[in-house]
Amino acid sequence: GQNIDQPTEMTATEGAIVQINCTYQTSGFNGLFWYQQHAGEAPTFLSYNVLDGLEEKGRFSSFLSRSKGYSYLLLKELQMKDSASYLCAVRDMIYNQGGKLIFGQGTELSVKP
Amino acid sequence: DTEVTQTPKHLVMGMTNKKSLKCEQHMGHRAMYWYKQKAKKPPELMFVYSYEKLSINESVPSRFSPECPNSSLLNLHLHALQPEDSALYLCASSPTTGTGTTNEKLFFGSGTQLSVL
Repeated sequence: GQNIDQPTEMTATEGAIVQINCTYQTSGFNGLFWYQQHAGEAPTFLSYNVLDGLEEKGRFSSFLSRSKGYSYLLLKELQMKDSASYLCAVRDMIYNQGGKLIFGQGTELSVKP
Repeated sequence: DTEVTQTPKHLVMGMTNKKSLKCEQHMGHRAMYWYKQKAKKPPELMFVYSYEKLSINESVPSRFSPECPNSSLLNLHLHALQPEDSALYLCASSPTTGTGTTNEKLFFGSGTQLSVL
């Protein structure tokens, strides 16, 4: 079966660092994505990992361990505008149909002053 | 142009109405997707079109009918919907469906907020 787990909610302080974890069990794996979604808006792409290790992009970093089925998104120097839902998504691999993107439930991050 | 445009932004319809949601992209992407998202839930895949052909239908009820007239357009025709179909409907596109190891990400439109009365 397909299962992607993230914490439902997190709270952090402006200027701090927060780590959002994601564990997954999928029948296939062809990459893991992190998306940010503000309420009522479209998800926007943050990062992609397909090989083990850390990918850094400015204030955002994402880590992947395929053997553990685990990823995290690290947000540094938090700003109020980072308050949003963060979605972990795994691209499954279905032969002859291309990759399906399966989303976790999302982590609602609240950044407080 | 790196946008996926969806119209309308909001739609209210009765259970006997027929309506269509529209999606357009001009990035040359050959894969297009429909997702359904309920409040505080993740997007759920409904349909995938690859090179204008339907490649994935996630057992969606027939009251939802997708159409891909050309590589830039994707429609979702709605008929005899139920109140539980009320949700945010998201369209997305990607260069291809990502066969092989690729970082092809999905570009999402801002969605159509649908209310079925």
